Amino acid sequence: GDSVTQMEGPVTLSEEAFLTINCTYTATGYPSLFWYVQYPGEGLQLLLKATKADDKGSNKGFEATYRKETTSFHLEKGSVQVSDSAVYFCALSDDNTDKLIFGTGTRLQVFP
Amino acid sequence: NAGVTQTPKFRILKIGQSMTLQCTQDMNHNYMYWYRQDPGMGLKLIYYSVGAGITDKGEVPNGYNVSRSTTEDFPLRLELAAPSQTSVYFCASVSGNQPQHFGDGTRLSIL
Repeated sequence: GDSVTQMEGPVTLSEEAFLTINCTYTATGYPSLFWYVQYPGEGLQLLLKATKADDKGSNKGFEATYRKETTSFHLEKGSVQVSDSAVYFCALSDDNTDKLIFGTGTRLQVFP
Repeated sequence: NAGVTQTPKFRILKIGQSMTLQCTQDMNHNYMYWYRQDPGMGLKLIYYSVGAGITDKGEVPNGYNVSRSTTEDFPLRLELAAPSQTSVYFCASVSGNQPQHFGDGTRLSIL
């Protein structure tokens, strides 16, 4: 079945460092891909999405490009802030039912 | 516009007790979902519904039941609470090609 694999955390960075969180997927169809963010004590919020190959999703300085050839959707940010500390989930959606399949999440900790 | 509302936010149950986690959305979304999030893990789909009167099992449905009598409401029922059901539960909804909207979660502990 479809699945999502993302790098284990925690990822610990200093403020203004470059961030990459890897995400790869397996899917039989043509899923949409998402990054969700979960701040402490809160629910999940959509960070960005891409619906087809070579699409780039971006929001709040974060970017991810839908790479069909490598089945990847890596999350990047050029300069992280302390306020970016959260858990980040990569996910794909089933074509027919919009069911989301999540990765296990990657905790990001940014220190001043 | 409240979005997806879950109640309660926190609950402690004894083993064998039952309870219903409430979820309601005011966006007229057809699709609704229940997930559980265990510590250090991603979200696992429990049940989902594609419209009023229609429900289907997700990845981890055992020990749970759902109903969807209206478009707005999608309650999740635990009949005989077990320690393995200690988790954070999230409800979500979606319509069309939009991303899923999540509630703030219900933190459930079973002792």
